[in-house]
Amino acid sequence: EVKLLESGGGLVQPGGSLRLSCAASGFTFADFYMSWIRQSPGKAPEWLSFIRNKANSYTTEYNPSVKGRFTISRDDTQNVLYLQMNTLRVEDTAIYYCAKHLGDFWGPGTMVTVSS
Amino acid sequence: DIQMTQSPSFLSASVGDRVTINCKASQNINRYLNWYQQKLGEAPKLLIYNANSLQTGIPSRFSGSGSGTDFTLTISSLQPEDVATYFCLQHNSWPPTFGSGTKLEIK
Repeated sequence: EVKLLESGGGLVQPGGSLRLSCAASGFTFADFYMSWIRQSPGKAPEWLSFIRNKANSYTTEYNPSVKGRFTISRDDTQNVLYLQMNTLRVEDTAIYYCAKHLGDFWGPGTMVTVSS
Repeated sequence: DIQMTQSPSFLSASVGDRVTINCKASQNINRYLNWYQQKLGEAPKLLIYNANSLQTGIPSRFSGSGSGTDFTLTISSLQPEDVATYFCLQHNSWPPTFGSGTKLEIK
């Protein structure tokens, strides 16, 4: 059974940083691209980033809305996906989901609140 | 970015009804269109990928059609457990973009 579990969310002040983690199990993590997607309350989701697998040199893509502030990475030895978020803004407040491949399975999400 | 215009925003139908939800892309996305179901308080779940392929484990009353710019999700016989918000997603070009959602309720 595929499982994804995000962690690391919480309350942070504007300008602060957070690192989200996503623990994966039930599939061969190293074989798949992985993504981060967020959803603000009552809004449509927004695709933030994805990271390819080792066969594709772990290359990454970023939504322009977060490029330069957020960094995606992965540890295939621990089956964990990361999202380092810097210079956070109030508008980054959302539920953050990790997703397998191009969205065929999502974790339950972790809430990030950016507020003073 | 490719804009996805989804309609209607709200839909109220009776159990057993045939329901259709539409998405229109601002440019050709071939068949790179997914449909998701999101129940209250849960993560989105993939229903249909690449316009018309049913994801494993999804009931056959769900189907998708379309190509190019115009796409449709159909529920052939609405069930009470189908109450949810439905989103389309284009993944033809970066960044993938979602429609604004259709909230489906039972009359």
